[in-house]
Amino acid sequence: GQQVMQIPQYQHVQEGEDFTTYCNSSTTLSNIQWYKQRPGGHPVFLIQLVKSGEVKKQKRLTFQFGEAKKNSSLHITATQTTDVGTYFCAGFSWGSARQLTFGSGTQLTVLP
Amino acid sequence: EPEVTQTPSHQVTQMGQEVILRCVPISNHLYFYWYRQILGQKVEFLVSFYNNEISEKSEIFDDQFSVERPDGSNFTLKIRSTKLEDSAMYFCASSGQSDSGRPLYEQYFGPGTRLTVT
Repeated sequence: GQQVMQIPQYQHVQEGEDFTTYCNSSTTLSNIQWYKQRPGGHPVFLIQLVKSGEVKKQKRLTFQFGEAKKNSSLHITATQTTDVGTYFCAGFSWGSARQLTFGSGTQLTVLP
Repeated sequence: EPEVTQTPSHQVTQMGQEVILRCVPISNHLYFYWYRQILGQKVEFLVSFYNNEISEKSEIFDDQFSVERPDGSNFTLKIRSTKLEDSAMYFCASSGQSDSGRPLYEQYFGPGTRLTVT
């Protein structure tokens, strides 16, 4: 079945440093979503990318979808303590409209 | 802002017992989902539900699981005979559609029910 891997699994950064997490799918995705889960919380939708090569920005967050639609990245500029949490990518494989496959997640710790 | 709610927040049950987890999706949403997350692991899709029937399900969603929309607001997940390995956080989610009827794919998650099977 489809597998979605993320690296790194854990990342500790000093406040103000940048952070990037990478997402790779074993199959081509129709679109990709990113979610953030705070410790003890539930996944919260951040963004959806649909087009090959698409880049979207939300304030300090930059999301990219690869040309082959099999990989994606999330980059946070100048991290803040409020960025702490686990970031998951999630995708729909072709032919599935509702089965969202989550990546393994990257747990971000921001040290003040 | 509308949100998905789930009850109970924590359920403890003995192996072999039946449990029902309840969810109230966002009121104008038409698509409903159940996911589970074993502690420290990734979120896993269980089932999606639309128009009063299951639209997709994963390999995890075997005969021990069932879903129901018993009325216009609730969406339930039943586990018939719980096993130790069913211990996890169970999240309900919902998604809606645009004014033109196009399905929207972003999913809104509830706070979860922590199920502990002893």
